[in-house]
Amino acid sequence: GENVEQHPSTLSVQEGDSAVIKCTYSDSASNYFPWYKQELGKGPQLIIDIRSNVGEKKDQRIAVTLNKTAKHFSLHITETQPEDSAVYFCAASFNTDKLIFGTGTRLQVFP
Amino acid sequence: GAVVSQHPSRVICKSGTSVKIECRSLDFQATTMFWYRQFPKQSLMLMATSNEGSKATYEQGVEKDKFLINHASLTLSTLTVTSAHPEDSSFYICSVTVGDSNEQFFGPGTRLTVL
Repeated sequence: GENVEQHPSTLSVQEGDSAVIKCTYSDSASNYFPWYKQELGKGPQLIIDIRSNVGEKKDQRIAVTLNKTAKHFSLHITETQPEDSAVYFCAASFNTDKLIFGTGTRLQVFP
Repeated sequence: GAVVSQHPSRVICKSGTSVKIECRSLDFQATTMFWYRQFPKQSLMLMATSNEGSKATYEQGVEKDKFLINHASLTLSTLTVTSAHPEDSSFYICSVTVGDSNEQFFGPGTRLTVL
């Protein structure tokens, strides 16, 4: 079955710097890759996703890149702000199959 | 995206009692609902997939007789933790998909504490 690895587990950056979180997946059939942001005590919130027919997607300060050959995808946050501090999860799935989540990255943005 | 609510947001119960958690899709009819469990500082673990009008599909290692799922309508699914024990204490989160999309929208979660 699918397995998703996520790195790093914790990431601390200064406000205004960029943050990059990386995930690798094992099932080459996976074609949907969402990223979720989870604040303390709340449910995950979908922030961006990418499908296997594109290599990059951007939404304001957030971007996701996908390398299908290497089977990895990354989340890029530019001009980080303290409110970006949260736990971020990547996930992968094939069509409407269940999502397989990464282990999470705790991002701290220091003012 | 879809707006999902959960009730209650937190519950404390005694060991041996049963607890029901509701998950509602407020603005869309949900094709499928999912139930997850999340222990502190860990990732989300899928417990079961719930389709309206049919039996839920449970993940390996999840006891179907302990975690009862009822998906009575396209907007409501319930998870009942029967004979709860302290090790069942966790954050339970539901999610929904809409139509043929595989985008999942999550509820705010329910914190269960079993004394």
